[in-house]
Amino acid sequence: DAKTTQPNSMESNEEEPVHLPCNHSTISGTDYIHWYRQLPSQGPEYVIHGLTSNVNNRMASLAIAEDRKSSTLILHRATLRDAAVYYCILRVQGGGADGLTFGKGTHLIIQP
Amino acid sequence: DAGVIQSPRHEVTEMGQEVTLRCKPISGHNSLFWYRQTMMRGLELLIYFNNNVPIDDSGMPEDRFSAKMPNASFSTLKIQPSEPRDSAVYFCASSLGGQIGELFFGEGSRLTVL
Repeated sequence: DAKTTQPNSMESNEEEPVHLPCNHSTISGTDYIHWYRQLPSQGPEYVIHGLTSNVNNRMASLAIAEDRKSSTLILHRATLRDAAVYYCILRVQGGGADGLTFGKGTHLIIQP
Repeated sequence: DAGVIQSPRHEVTEMGQEVTLRCKPISGHNSLFWYRQTMMRGLELLIYFNNNVPIDDSGMPEDRFSAKMPNASFSTLKIQPSEPRDSAVYFCASSLGGQIGELFFGEGSRLTVL
């Protein structure tokens, strides 16, 4: 499986934008980029996914580099409730029935 | 709508005892996953089922662990006999599969083996 690299932790201030980077230099043409997050004492939850184009949803935006070797999850206005571990995961196209492999993720700390 | 339901939420047991963790997936989902999370190893995929059939159990640590899915609305993860190193949070997740297969996780079962 293609691997992803994320910073261990990041810190940001409340109500400011947060950019969470992810490197995936060995990504293949059929890999989707998925983001999940895990709030304290909860199971992971889906955030967003993309293939080539930038994506927006109610939770976040996903910016994908033109060569697809990196991506950035953008939280436009972080709140204290966004403090969580964020996981960037590659998933082969059509692999929706297969398990996800989680790395260590980025621990996002939000300062009030 | 109810999400993925796991029970028990917390279990404390003694080494050597049998532990059974239960999971009810979201109705209509045809894929079910069992994960284990520890500080040291993070989130590990133990086993997953498609249409009640085990597809990949390569993550199951050893023969003491077994998982079943007798029908589309119920799965169990059993540890027999349990050991202190099995202490972890066990998560169940389900998905519709398909192209993207967003996973929906339960709240987890925290297991402590003394």
